[in-house]
Amino acid sequence: QVQLQQSGPGLVKPSQTLSLTCAISGDSVSSNSAAWHWIRQSPSRGLEWLGRTYYRSKWYYDYAISVKSRITINPDTSQNQFSLHLNSVTPEDTAVYYCARGLSGYLYSWGQGTLVTVSS
Amino acid sequence: QLVLTQSPSASASLGASVKLTCTLSSGHSTYAIAWHQQQPEKGPRYLMKLNSDGSHSKGDGIPDRFSGSSSGAERYLTISSVQPEDEGDYHCQTWGSGIGVFGGGTRLTVL
Repeated sequence: QVQLQQSGPGLVKPSQTLSLTCAISGDSVSSNSAAWHWIRQSPSRGLEWLGRTYYRSKWYYDYAISVKSRITINPDTSQNQFSLHLNSVTPEDTAVYYCARGLSGYLYSWGQGTLVTVSS
Repeated sequence: QLVLTQSPSASASLGASVKLTCTLSSGHSTYAIAWHQQQPEKGPRYLMKLNSDGSHSKGDGIPDRFSGSSSGAERYLTISSVQPEDEGDYHCQTWGSGIGVFGGGTRLTVL
């Protein structure tokens, strides 16, 4: 059974970079069938898909238009994990962030969630 | 544009049956969706993937009282014999043109 364990700070200052990590057990970040997603949830926007990375002989990345200029998702094969980096954050980026494992775009396993507050 | 529409709220009496709906936008009626459950103060949990023909594949450990069906652009989640632990938010999710899409979620109250 796949398990995802998230880590990272819960407080980020405005204009700085939000960084979270998702450690994978029960699968490989280099899987040829799975993809690795980040999603966030806030009262104002509900669940919002942010982006994904996946490996099919090379690494691919897809990002939501709303954050495309600010987001990077990085796989780390040595640690079997992947990370989210969202730069130039504002209070509107305050949300609970989730990582997830997807197959053909459908999300089958979720991380436990991390509340990130953007505040000075 | 690919959009999923859900009613904001629903209610069901304990032990009764309830049917939640997720509607795909025009031109996307053949898309599959996934249903996710989110109990209060918890993260989402995958329930099932639901295809346009009504076939569905449930996640590990999902009780038999959860089932899915489809009609045209509508995707349904039926919970038979609703239990107290079924109270929470239910989200539908799909995929198109390289982006993920969520519905607004339906909050289910168990009476």
